[in-house]
Amino acid sequence: DQQVKQNSPSLSVQEGRISILNCDYTNSMFDYFLWYKKYPAEGPTFLISISSIKDKNEDGRFTVFLNKSAKHLSLHIVPSQPGDSAVYFCAAGGGSNYKLTFGKGTLLTVNP
Amino acid sequence: GAGVSQSPSNKVTEKGKDVELRCDPISGHTALYWYRQSLGQGLEFLIYFQGNSAPDKSGLPSDRFSAERTGGSVSTLTIQRTQQEDSAVYLCASSLESSGYTEAFFGQGTRLTVV
Repeated sequence: DQQVKQNSPSLSVQEGRISILNCDYTNSMFDYFLWYKKYPAEGPTFLISISSIKDKNEDGRFTVFLNKSAKHLSLHIVPSQPGDSAVYFCAAGGGSNYKLTFGKGTLLTVNP
Repeated sequence: GAGVSQSPSNKVTEKGKDVELRCDPISGHTALYWYRQSLGQGLEFLIYFQGNSAPDKSGLPSDRFSAERTGGSVSTLTIQRTQQEDSAVYLCASSLESSGYTEAFFGQGTRLTVV
């Protein structure tokens, strides 16, 4: 039972354009959401988070949007840069403990 | 160092042998996770330790896998009688979780290859 789903395994965008990475979840107890970025041969690194009391959080070029009614969140990167090329994981937590559940990731390729 | 440290960084083992993977979390972090990422796949949850609570072992794929966390700090993931399908990058992460959610910090991973 996959509680956090990233349905697009890959995404390709042109440098300077917007990248939109999507994530859906099924567990209504989730109330905290995070995005991680992973380069090859490295561990994932934290990018941005949002709690369920908000619907938007922005940090520089990165913005996360949360639609609780749709159980959907998205990460927007604008403008996209070649250095943003990586695998992006969304993660969610909530309920009886703080355990994070990760999606399977989306490979973003930003073409120069 | 200040980050999550995993050892070894690479491990090649023969099918049927046992292996131990080590994780040193960030000092003071109460929560520790093990994940693995097989080639071309996403992050697969294995086990979660939180303070003195019983670990969440729901992600361990078989009884050949076990993990312990001694003294609330260092963790060891043991795989017995390794199989080729165990080949993956094993990632450890830790987080503070003292008063709510904080991000988990990952180590560089251990690349396990079973030949």
